[in-house]
Amino acid sequence: AQSVTQPDIHITVSEGASLELRCNYSYGATPYLFWYVQSPGQGLQLLLKYFSGDTLVQGIKGFEAEFKRSQSSFNLRKPSVHWSDAAEYFCAVGAPDSGYALNFGKGTSLLVTP
Amino acid sequence: GAVVSQHPSWVICKSGTSVKIECRSLDFQATTMFWYRQFPKQSLMLMATSNEGSKATYEQGVEKDKFLINHASLTLSTLTVTSAHPEDSSFYICSASTGEYEQYFGPGTRLTVT
Repeated sequence: AQSVTQPDIHITVSEGASLELRCNYSYGATPYLFWYVQSPGQGLQLLLKYFSGDTLVQGIKGFEAEFKRSQSSFNLRKPSVHWSDAAEYFCAVGAPDSGYALNFGKGTSLLVTP
Repeated sequence: GAVVSQHPSWVICKSGTSVKIECRSLDFQATTMFWYRQFPKQSLMLMATSNEGSKATYEQGVEKDKFLINHASLTLSTLTVTSAHPEDSSFYICSASTGEYEQYFGPGTRLTVT
């Protein structure tokens, strides 16, 4: 069965510092990969997605993610974090043989300090 | 584009009553809609997948007689929590898809059962 692991429950970074959120998946083939952000009490906003092609994906708000097949990872990065980036971040996986349903990781809560 | 709305955004109901939550795709036709449940500080758990005009497919452990899902049109799906109990209190999020892997999420509905 496919699974998604976000190893870090909480991450704290200083404003202006770089950020990397980790995501590992378990699946036999290349799944479809997503990163979503959720602000408190809000729905989810898509940051970026990977279906195929270039393994470095650019998203909104200055985020990027890199798909590494050998490591089964899809880590999210941002070179300089802003205070408004504080939120919950979810990695999600979709697999061709499971319809269009997404399997979400447990999320990483990002705190940005001044 | 690709906006999904939910109504109500917040509802309080008494134990034993039923409550209906609407999910609408405002500017596109959604062949598939998904309903998720999110407990505080936790990830999204898929409850069911519904295709327009068909019966919903429920995930294991989700009581289909308690969580009634109707997807009567390409722009509207409803989730009815029947005979609600305090343990049903949660954040319910819907998403809509045009039949591909990208899902567009609604802002969520906070249900509190007293």
